[in-house]
Amino acid sequence: EVQLLESGGGLGQPGGSLRLSCAASGFTFNNFAMSWVRQAPGKGLEWVSGIFGSGGRTYYADSVKGRFTISRDNSKNTLNLQMKSLRVEDTAVYYCAKERFGEFSWFDTWGLGTLVTVSS
Amino acid sequence: EIVLAQSPDTLSLSPGERATLSCRASQSVTSRHLAWYQHKPGQSPRLLIYGASTRATGLPDRFSGSGSGTDFTLTISRLEPEDFAVYYCQQYGASPYTFGQGTNLEIK
Repeated sequence: EVQLLESGGGLGQPGGSLRLSCAASGFTFNNFAMSWVRQAPGKGLEWVSGIFGSGGRTYYADSVKGRFTISRDNSKNTLNLQMKSLRVEDTAVYYCAKERFGEFSWFDTWGLGTLVTVSS
Repeated sequence: EIVLAQSPDTLSLSPGERATLSCRASQSVTSRHLAWYQHKPGQSPRLLIYGASTRATGLPDRFSGSGSGTDFTLTISRLEPEDFAVYYCQQYGASPYTFGQGTNLEIK
């Protein structure tokens, strides 16, 4: 069974850092692109960042570019999101999502999400 | 960036009725690279449709997707109680991927 389990959420301070991780199982991790998608309180879904299966190409939403870094460890079947220079508006549930193929495809599996709260 | 505008924001219908949800893109979506998701509170989003019109595995055939270019539609032919949720369209043909703002399908 394909499973994604996020961790690392919690309380962060404005200007601070947090690191999210997503443990993947049930599929050949390095064959598939992965993304982070977030949902702020009372808002809709927002794609945050993505990485190809090979890990060679990464993409970011303008709202996080230069502050967040996505990476993957294919030997450990883990997706990461390093979040720096946190802002109050980064407060959201962050979902890890698996694409159907190695690039430019739909999200066929989602994790349960991890809550990030940015507040002083 | 491709902006997706969904309409209506809220749709109030009764079980058994037909629901038609719209998604309009600011520019043509590459190769019909458009998906629809259902999202209920406290749950993960669920894939419904990909490639604009292909149903996800196990999805009841009361759900259907259509459209191309800039105009896409999700239709639920006869609403069941479990269908009331928020629905999002998403394009994955170009980076950044983008979602529509969502349509809240509520019980009338």
